[in-house]
Amino acid sequence: SQQGEEDPQALSIQEGENATMNCSYKTSINNLQWYRQNSGRGLVHLILIRSNEREKHSGRLRVTLDTSKKSSSLLITASRAADTASYFCATDRGTDKLIFGTGTRLQVFP
Amino acid sequence: NAGVTQTPKFQVLKTGQSMTLQCAQDMNHEYMSWYRQDPGMGLRLIHYSVGAGITDQGEVPNGYNVSRSTTEDFPLRLLSAAPSQTSVYFCASSHRTPSSYNEQFFGPGTRLTVL
Repeated sequence: SQQGEEDPQALSIQEGENATMNCSYKTSINNLQWYRQNSGRGLVHLILIRSNEREKHSGRLRVTLDTSKKSSSLLITASRAADTASYFCATDRGTDKLIFGTGTRLQVFP
Repeated sequence: NAGVTQTPKFQVLKTGQSMTLQCAQDMNHEYMSWYRQDPGMGLRLIHYSVGAGITDQGEVPNGYNVSRSTTEDFPLRLLSAAPSQTSVYFCASSHRTPSSYNEQFFGPGTRLTVL
């Protein structure tokens, strides 16, 4: 069974708008990571947040983590057409396994 | 560095055939893993390895075998292909295990169709 569920499944916005996607998970985690996948390509790591952190920033990316609600959000500010991709959260429960969610498909229109 | 490489890029098999998907990394990473990606299912972990000579099962290991005789290579074997194994397969590697706050580096994927 998969640990993470992303919401929404699909998101369409205009360039310049902000995009927010959410990830919920079921059990306690050690860390949570976000990855991007362009169509037909492998995944690329975006950002990692540890269980004792609440917020992290990287460029136009902002990730929050609420362990009490078992949820995380990824915010992409000032979206560009090049941000069009699928975004996945992945969780580690302190085991050797990294478990991925089902992903959010983001479409950014010029 | 080539990073994580996978061969072949595409493969068509008939039911019952066997084959090996190749994965290699040149970053001296200890941790390697195989995922399959199906529409609407995200990525599911098949097998993983924390170092040469050590492998373990992920979420969906049935029908697949792995071995890790060297740090660089982590082949995935399909013993008797079934249509349910039609998928895109990704290999990934990282310096250490995910619990050590490591990002995963992914290969470009192998698209497998089983008829």
